[in-house]
Amino acid sequence: SQTIHQWPATLVQPVGSPLSLECTVEGTSNPNLYWYRQAAGRGLQLLFYSVGIGQISSEVPQNLSASRPQDRQFILSSKKLLLSDSGFYLCAWSMDRVGNEQFFGPGTRLTVL
Amino acid sequence: AQSVTQLDSQVPVFEEAPVELRCNYSSSVSVYLFWYVQYPNQGLQLLLKYLSGSTLVKGINGFEAEFNKSQTSFHLRKPSVHISDTAEYFCAVSYQTGANNLFFGTGTRLTVIP
Repeated sequence: SQTIHQWPATLVQPVGSPLSLECTVEGTSNPNLYWYRQAAGRGLQLLFYSVGIGQISSEVPQNLSASRPQDRQFILSSKKLLLSDSGFYLCAWSMDRVGNEQFFGPGTRLTVL
Repeated sequence: AQSVTQLDSQVPVFEEAPVELRCNYSSSVSVYLFWYVQYPNQGLQLLLKYLSGSTLVKGINGFEAEFNKSQTSFHLRKPSVHISDTAEYFCAVSYQTGANNLFFGTGTRLTVIP
């Protein structure tokens, strides 16, 4: 069966510090991968998605970036965090076929102080 | 462009009472429809989805939803809620072509009162 992992589970970082969140998927190959952010009291905002290694599409311009160095690894990064980057970050995967549901990881709670 | 509207940000309901969580969407092309549930500090879990066929879709935990194309709605219902149903519920749509991206509503917080 397929599983998706995210770490760390929680993170507290000062403004201006770098960020690296990691997501890995097991039990499948060539998945579509997604990063979402969920701000307090708001819905999910799609940040990035990837349909293959090295292929990243950005949905929202901001100081975050994403990379996919391996088939089942998706990394969310920032060089300098802003207060507005605080939120709950969710990674998800799906099979590369329209209509397939996305499967979500447990999330990372990021607090920028 | 497509959008998803969940008009009710919070829905309180007594235990064992029925509940309906509303979802409306707008899109110029055909879409697939999903309902997800999120328990506190956890990821999202799929409740049900509509791709084609019968407009009444049954999901996990006793939930069901009905696709109404003329009203562009996909409301979620449960005839009798439990305390454990307290969670955030998200409606989402995806295009029938493209990269299978999901577009989410802002969520409805369901609180079941004992």
